[in-house]
Amino acid sequence: KNEVEQSPQNLTAQEGEFITINCSYSVGISALHWLQQHPGGGIVSLFMLSSGKKKHGRLIATINIQEKHSSLHITASHPRDSAVYICAVGEETSGSRLTFGEGTQLTVNP
Amino acid sequence: EADIYQTPRYLVIGTGKKITLECSQTMGHDKMYWYQQDPGMELHLIHYSYGVNSTEKGDLSSESTVSRIRTEHFPLTLESARPSHTSQYLCASSEDHRGQPQHFGDGTRLSIL
Repeated sequence: KNEVEQSPQNLTAQEGEFITINCSYSVGISALHWLQQHPGGGIVSLFMLSSGKKKHGRLIATINIQEKHSSLHITASHPRDSAVYICAVGEETSGSRLTFGEGTQLTVNP
Repeated sequence: EADIYQTPRYLVIGTGKKITLECSQTMGHDKMYWYQQDPGMELHLIHYSYGVNSTEKGDLSSESTVSRIRTEHFPLTLESARPSHTSQYLCASSEDHRGQPQHFGDGTRLSIL
């Protein structure tokens, strides 16, 4: 069992829909990261959070430390949001090193 | 916009060749990382460095080696490439404090024939 589990693995939505991607982890963490990877391979850091909720534009990330669970929400989805969304955790015992989930492939159709 | 650069972006090369993948960052970050990612799979840490002359192996065993002679430069070398080395290699860097976001390069897609 991976230390970081994401669901769903694949998600197809229509433009405008509200999207939720979930991440569960099994270790103590110092921070949780949400990353976006486009087809070209490059990765962009979207959020880093250790408690509560963060918002950036149409993206919202939440984390529940007690339940070891985080969600990434996209409001009013757009085809340009199509990408792989990756959850990664920085474990308490491993300093800056990250453990990654397998990613969620999101496709938003016009 | 993160200032971390990887070259080449794509490399197709024959078995047995020596390969060096370049990674440079202009942010003055002490911490740098190399990840390997197969298609549709998660990233795996293969090497990391917390500063000049400091290198460590990551969670995934790799036949590659790294060096950190300068803060801004963290090249990865394969002495004799094999088809099993075909993958995407991503470089990243972060500030020294724990829990800082990692900034990623665009990756190198490596194909060994």
